[in-house]
Amino acid sequence: AIRMTQSPSSFSASTGDRVTITCRASQGISSYLAWYQQKPGKAPKLLIYAASTLQSGVPSRFSGSGSGTDFTLTISCLQSEDFATYYCQQYYSYPPAFGQGTKVEIK
Amino acid sequence: EVQLVQSGAEVKKPGESLKISCKGSGYSFTSYWIGWVRQMPGKGLEWMGIIYPGDSDTRYSPSFQGQVTISADKSISTAYLQWSSLKASDTAMYYCARSLVPSKYYFDYWGQGTLVTVSS
Repeated sequence: AIRMTQSPSSFSASTGDRVTITCRASQGISSYLAWYQQKPGKAPKLLIYAASTLQSGVPSRFSGSGSGTDFTLTISCLQSEDFATYYCQQYYSYPPAFGQGTKVEIK
Repeated sequence: EVQLVQSGAEVKKPGESLKISCKGSGYSFTSYWIGWVRQMPGKGLEWMGIIYPGDSDTRYSPSFQGQVTISADKSISTAYLQWSSLKASDTAMYYCARSLVPSKYYFDYWGQGTLVTVSS
């Protein structure tokens, strides 16, 4: 099974910062990667699929890049509503797998 | 509007059985896969399995194969996740979610979650 590793596991940032979260797959997954945002007590929300395609309705300050084994999620200008936990997920092979999550906290 | 509405929170004892549900609306229920994801308290997301309500084709993650049963009733646009004998370690939030592409499963809409608590 493919394993997904995110880094860092958590970090603090300020409103307006540019932040980047990294996701690494244990083997190549082409561009079959999705990113989700989860706020406390809420269901996850799809942000990006196919590594870089923004889901409808998601603000353009979110972007994704990468292919193969290394991927990044970037928030260009962090807003208060972006403080949450972010998960990557590979869907290249079965079973699909999530990363362990990256929690973005307020500095 | 696409909606996945899950059944309410459950409190059960070890050894009891349970079936939770996920009702889809606002889209063609038989044209999308419905998957289930576990989130244990304070932990991350775990893929459990997925079903295509159109023909009940079902796939399980190896970690959950034999531990749960996924089913669907397309006549009422509802998918189910069930346990025959719950354990304390089944205590978690369970989410259903929708996926379009066969074998390339990512989720574009999610249910609100069902909290299952198993305690003696």
